[in-house]
Amino acid sequence: ILNVEQSPQSLHVQEGDSTNFTCSFPSSNFYALHWYRWETAKSPEALFVMTLNGDEKKKGRISATLNTKEGYSYLYIKGSQPEDSATYLCARISNQFYFGTGTSLTVIP
Amino acid sequence: DTGVSQDPRHKITKRGQNVTFRCDPISEHNRLYWYRQTLGQGPEFLTYFQNEAQLEKSRLLSDRFSAERPKGSFSTLEIQRTEQGDSAMYLCASSSRDRDNSPLHFGNGTRLTVT
Repeated sequence: ILNVEQSPQSLHVQEGDSTNFTCSFPSSNFYALHWYRWETAKSPEALFVMTLNGDEKKKGRISATLNTKEGYSYLYIKGSQPEDSATYLCARISNQFYFGTGTSLTVIP
Repeated sequence: DTGVSQDPRHKITKRGQNVTFRCDPISEHNRLYWYRQTLGQGPEFLTYFQNEAQLEKSRLLSDRFSAERPKGSFSTLEIQRTEQGDSAMYLCASSSRDRDNSPLHFGNGTRLTVT
């Protein structure tokens, strides 16, 4: 089993604050890294698919970076809003998807 | 594209009973995955189909679990002789093989409670 670790496990921030969290994974046999957002009572939705070392992806106020050599990815949220409250999952893809345990974000109005 | 649908949304069963869940993937997706998620954990891989072929099954999965995708469309996951430890959210996801980096599209899950 390839361990994908996410930190912190949970996070509370004030509306308007910027925040970031980490996904760490084994760097060998790397194929791709995915980020998903999972809101309560909904299904997980894909945010980013990242494959190349040094990749940076952005969607609105959310961005992500990838370092495949050292085995980590950061997810950044600029100016957090209450609607950003969700669990953020990363998944390392080799022959299948290996998910981390997620970071639970709560944005306090 | 109606998305991935799972049925039922919730299932409460007594220990020892058999349960079956259904997943209908996005129609043009030929890859289908089953995951299990328990409190405080990320989704745990159970099994994976490409069309009707079951290509991989988690070693953590006991013989009480079986999955099928008979015509390469919908899939069923059956748990025999359920145990309290089987209580979890069972998620189905699909993706397109044509794009190897394509993300997973998840259903809303089936929440199983074994009493």
